[in-house]
Amino acid sequence: NAGVTQTPKFQVLKTGQSMTLQCAQDMNHNSMYWYRQDPGMGLRLIYYSASEGTTDKGEVPNGYNVSRLNKREFSLRLESAAPSQTSVYFCASSEADRGAYGYTFGSGTRLTVV
Amino acid sequence: GNSVTQMEGPVTLSEEAFLTINCTYTATGYPSLFWYVQYPGEGLQLLLKATKADDKGSNKGFEATYRKETTSFHLEKGSVQVSDSAVYFCALLSGGSYIPTFGRGTSLIVHP
Repeated sequence: NAGVTQTPKFQVLKTGQSMTLQCAQDMNHNSMYWYRQDPGMGLRLIYYSASEGTTDKGEVPNGYNVSRLNKREFSLRLESAAPSQTSVYFCASSEADRGAYGYTFGSGTRLTVV
Repeated sequence: GNSVTQMEGPVTLSEEAFLTINCTYTATGYPSLFWYVQYPGEGLQLLLKATKADDKGSNKGFEATYRKETTSFHLEKGSVQVSDSAVYFCALLSGGSYIPTFGRGTSLIVHP
């Protein structure tokens, strides 16, 4: 049972480059989320998708775009990377009942923008 | 709005010591409350939860009781192990929302 799988695990980008972080879940969850984690800041929500076909902005959406490709996959794209986007990115998913049973997180992507 | 406040870390303990990590919250309605644990280099894992007042969540020797009167959900363990060293996050989910509110996390370091 893989749960939530994120790729890549590590990435170094130059300022201005673009990339897509991939996330897939095999638990048939309806809702998926992208967070970033920075020292002293805890977790901050970037975007979420309550169900297939819908996406909404979270707390810190600027500089990011997302695509809910299907029920399993939810990708995060950085169109023009900036050093301020250096962070650890986590994808998560939850069941249709709005997360009352908790979230399942991936193991993260550590991104460095130089 | 909703908010979660956790005690600042790091919390440093010797093995077999008693652990308390404080968590208080502000929320509308009757939220569900959660503790997550993040081991080094990994994502967050759900540790325990409670969905209504006076409920006690428990898992792996950890416990937390949902106290509505004090708006608290403190995490406790009677005897910590080195393997419990991690960052612990308190979170709430308010009714009708998809989005939990997380605290900033408390780092626990357990020495042999």
